[in-house]
Amino acid sequence: EDQVTQSPEALRLQEGESSSLNCSYTVSGLRGLFWYRQDPGKGPEFLFTLYSAGEEKEKERLKATLTKKESFLHITAPKPEDSATYLCAVQPDSGGGADGLTFGKGTHLIIQP
Amino acid sequence: EAGVTQSPTHLIKTRGQQATLRCSPISGHTSVYWYQQALGLGLQFLLWYDEGEERNRGNFPPRFSGRQFPNYSSELNVNALELEDSALYLCASSWGTSGYNEQFFGPGTRLTVL
Repeated sequence: EDQVTQSPEALRLQEGESSSLNCSYTVSGLRGLFWYRQDPGKGPEFLFTLYSAGEEKEKERLKATLTKKESFLHITAPKPEDSATYLCAVQPDSGGGADGLTFGKGTHLIIQP
Repeated sequence: EAGVTQSPTHLIKTRGQQATLRCSPISGHTSVYWYQQALGLGLQFLLWYDEGEERNRGNFPPRFSGRQFPNYSSELNVNALELEDSALYLCASSWGTSGYNEQFFGPGTRLTVL
């Protein structure tokens, strides 16, 4: 069974204090790993897609990396507006095509001014 | 470009009633996915529709059903509502069925069952 585990569950940082969020996954084969940001009461907002180990993607203060067993979301010099829940999801490489994503429970990030 | 839209924003029902939720995908997207986000459980995959057909469903009972219309919009129906069906229901759409394409989410419908 495909599994995604995110850690920590919650993280409180001071503005400007860099850190990393972890996403560990177990799938029979990985077609893609996705990072989303979700604000309270809203739908997830797409951030990154990673397809193969060693791949990295950046957007503003966020950088996502991928290994064969886990992905990291690095946040550099965060600002209060980066406060949100960050979700990791996997698309398994099974059935030959798209399917529902398997999500982790997310990391609730709070950036204090 | 308009994003995924969902209606209604909020829906309040009582146990045993039926709920109907609607979703319009991003223009050009043919696949629609439904997810349930209940408190403490994270997003769980419900149903996937593509080109009018149900392609797969998650581990949910048959009282969760839906359909996709010729214009690719979709409807989720929940029959015989139970208290534990209270959740945020999210619709997502993607282009193609390769599995390499991102799923883009709508704002969700908050369903409350009393």
